[in-house]
Amino acid sequence: DAGVIQSPRHEVTEMGQEVTLRCKPISGHDYLFWYRQTMMRGLELLIYFNNNVPIDDSGMPEDRFSAKMPNASFSTLKIQPSEPRDSAVYFCASSLVGAMAHEQFFGPGTRLTVL
Amino acid sequence: GQQVMQIPQYQHVQEGEDFTTYCNSSTTLSNIQWYKQRPGGHPVFLIQLVKSGEVKKQKRLTFQFGEAKKNSSLHITATQTTDVGTYFCAGPVNDYKLSFGAGTTVTVRA
Repeated sequence: DAGVIQSPRHEVTEMGQEVTLRCKPISGHDYLFWYRQTMMRGLELLIYFNNNVPIDDSGMPEDRFSAKMPNASFSTLKIQPSEPRDSAVYFCASSLVGAMAHEQFFGPGTRLTVL
Repeated sequence: GQQVMQIPQYQHVQEGEDFTTYCNSSTTLSNIQWYKQRPGGHPVFLIQLVKSGEVKKQKRLTFQFGEAKKNSSLHITATQTTDVGTYFCAGPVNDYKLSFGAGTTVTVRA
């Protein structure tokens, strides 16, 4: 079975440009999470969805960040305009309610570099 | 809010030796999860502990949940090069939102 799929795997852009990161969760999973990982701040939860509805976006750093989940198999995280301090690895993870462990399955991540 | 702290931040281990990494929470946890992230990889779920005092083993890895459910530990015996990576503990903020510790990054000397 395919795991969580993220694209692109690497993104290099210039400051001020719009960046869109994409995620396809594991089929049947009803929770989707977006994380950002940096050396300085570690693994931070940005936002999570339940059944395509955003539940908690308190981790979204500022208005430049937005996330959507138009259907159960697709989510996007958009940064507009991007800034150098947004450079990080962005992970998408999904989870299944009712699973014994509520474990989160992480995608391979998108390494974003903003110049 | 609830925070999960991990020590040590870095662990340099001679191949074949044992080591332990610790996780402490400021509040009582309903459960705790452990993840491993290989260099350049993504976090991968290892285990969840739920019961007070619970101990679970996975081959050379032993996970323990404290009696007060505010701390946990991961002990690795006879460390191998395949154990290299960062080990995270994570405690639930609510049913589905996790707070991850900063991780313990393990390097192994052959």
